[in-house]
Amino acid sequence: AQSVTQPDIHITVSEGASLELRCNYSYGATPYLFWYVQSPGQGLQLLLKYFSGDTLVQGIKGFEAEFKRSQSSFNLRKPSVHWSDAAEYFCAVGAASSASKIIFGSGTRLSIRP
Amino acid sequence: DTEVTQTPKHLVMGMTNKKSLKCEQHMGHRAMYWYKQKAKKPPELMFVYSYEKLSINESVPSRFSPECPNSSLLNLHLHALQPEDSALYLCASSQVHTVDNSPLHFGNGTRLTVT
Repeated sequence: AQSVTQPDIHITVSEGASLELRCNYSYGATPYLFWYVQSPGQGLQLLLKYFSGDTLVQGIKGFEAEFKRSQSSFNLRKPSVHWSDAAEYFCAVGAASSASKIIFGSGTRLSIRP
Repeated sequence: DTEVTQTPKHLVMGMTNKKSLKCEQHMGHRAMYWYKQKAKKPPELMFVYSYEKLSINESVPSRFSPECPNSSLLNLHLHALQPEDSALYLCASSQVHTVDNSPLHFGNGTRLTVT
């Protein structure tokens, strides 16, 4: 069975600083990996996804993530955060053999320091 | 703006009430989902409908009853809920019921409080 771990519960960064949110997954085959963002009181919005190919994927809002098979990681990065990036970020993993059974990590809450 | 619309945004109900949550999408998606999200927790899958047929029920108590009248609509009927059922209920849709190339589109949710 697949699983995903987000080791950081809460991260605070200064506006304009760079950001990296960590995600580690567990799955026997090549996983399908996602990052979603959730603003307070809102649903989840897909930032980016990795299925195959180039291990560096670009997403919306200036985010990117890098798939590293050797480290079982899929960390999310942004070179310069904006106050509007404050939200909850969820990493998720899906398995090709389990249609639409996407497992979400516990989430990382991002706060932005003015 | 979300393309998946959920109503109502907020709902307060007593333990003896019967209520329904509604979800609508007009993206031509053929898979629709209900998720439950408790505060500071990730979403947990409840039900999946694929081509208007129930394909996944994650051992959800029978006091939650899903219904998919057509490919655009998804309902969740609630009856005899418990206070611990208070949560944000999220609806999502995807083109088809597979993980690849069919990401989930979420609505903004219904905040349910059971008193």
